[in-house]
Amino acid sequence: GQQVMQIPQYQHVQEGEDFTTYCNSSTTLSNIQWYKQRPGGHPVFLIQLVKSGEVKKQKRLTFQFGEAKKNSSLHITATQTTDVGTYFCAGISNQFYFGTGTSLTVIP
Amino acid sequence: NAGVTQTPKFQVLKTGQSMTLQCAQDMNHEYMSWYRQDPGMGLRLIHYSVGAGITDQGEVPNGYNVSRSTTEDFPLRLLSAAPSQTSVYFCASGRGVKRRTDTQYFGPGTRLTVL
Repeated sequence: GQQVMQIPQYQHVQEGEDFTTYCNSSTTLSNIQWYKQRPGGHPVFLIQLVKSGEVKKQKRLTFQFGEAKKNSSLHITATQTTDVGTYFCAGISNQFYFGTGTSLTVIP
Repeated sequence: NAGVTQTPKFQVLKTGQSMTLQCAQDMNHEYMSWYRQDPGMGLRLIHYSVGAGITDQGEVPNGYNVSRSTTEDFPLRLLSAAPSQTSVYFCASGRGVKRRTDTQYFGPGTRLTVL
């Protein structure tokens, strides 16, 4: 069946370092979304990518959708303590398939 | 707007008990869904609905029932609770029947423990 995998599962970075999480699907996706979940909280929508090869930026966050629409990445430049949380991708084909998430810890 | 609300926030059940997790949204969203979140497993779709009277199964539907009698409400019923159903449950909603790919708004979650 459909699988969406994310790596790494955990990442610890020093404040100011960059961070990247990768999302890979076993099948072609129509869209991909990214969500952030703060510790103890609920997922909050960040962005949606639709087009093959699409790149979108939100301040220090850069999102990419692969050419084959089977993978995506989220890159954070110069992490801050406010970036702490778990980042999920959600691949969309006939329904939503969330990735396993990457938990980011930022060390001050 | 209250957004997506869920009750209760916490629940402890004994094996075999049944209960209903409540979910309501006030954004007139047609699409609603239930997820469970377990450590290292991400969010797994249990059931979803594209409008009142229409429901469908997600990835892990066994042991759960849903109904959608109104646009606003989408309750999740555990028929006979098992320890494997210990998890955090999130309800989510989004706009439009044909816009299943639109933004999903999540409720605060229900933390369920089955002993």
